[in-house]
Amino acid sequence: GENVEQHPSTLSVQEGDSAVIKCTYSDSASNYFPWYKQELGKGPQLIIDIRSNVGEKKDQRIAVTLNKTAKHFSLHITETQPEDSAVYFCAGRSAAGNKLTFGGGTRVLVKP
Amino acid sequence: DVKVTQSSRYLVKRTGEKVFLECVQDMDHENMFWYRQDPGLGLRLIYFSYDVKMKEKGDIPEGYSVSREKKERFSLILESASTNQTSMYLCASMGTNKNIQYFGAGTRLSVL
Repeated sequence: GENVEQHPSTLSVQEGDSAVIKCTYSDSASNYFPWYKQELGKGPQLIIDIRSNVGEKKDQRIAVTLNKTAKHFSLHITETQPEDSAVYFCAGRSAAGNKLTFGGGTRVLVKP
Repeated sequence: DVKVTQSSRYLVKRTGEKVFLECVQDMDHENMFWYRQDPGLGLRLIYFSYDVKMKEKGDIPEGYSVSREKKERFSLILESASTNQTSMYLCASMGTNKNIQYFGAGTRLSVL
């Protein structure tokens, strides 16, 4: 089955700086890669996703890149703000089904 | 607005008790999921259901069972709770041919 690894597990950045979280996956058949953000006391919420036929996708201050050959994808947050402080999860989904396999999560702290 | 509701935010149970975690969604989604969330391990899939009365094992089904008698409700059952089932439990739902999983706020279960 799919295995998704995520790094780093914690990330502390100064407000205004950029944050980058990296994930690798094992199943070359995976074709969909979402990113979820979990704020304190809430369930995870989708913030951006990318399909395997696209190399990069951007939505305001967040972007995701995908390297299918190397089987890794990354989340980039620019001009970080205190409200970006949360736990972020990457995930991968095989073309075969509806199941997502999640990475271990990254706790991001944006210091004012 | 999309809503996934988990019946309890916090639950404390004794070893050996039978525990029911309830989840209700109001989006008429076919697919529902139960995950457990542990630090450093991300979200791990316990069971999922793609239709009423249908269920499939996820990655860590041992010690759990599920029930889906109605489309909007998906229950997770711990037949005989053990201390290693102390965790955060998250329910999610997803429409057919859609990608986004919508999560509830979670139930933090402590088994003493």
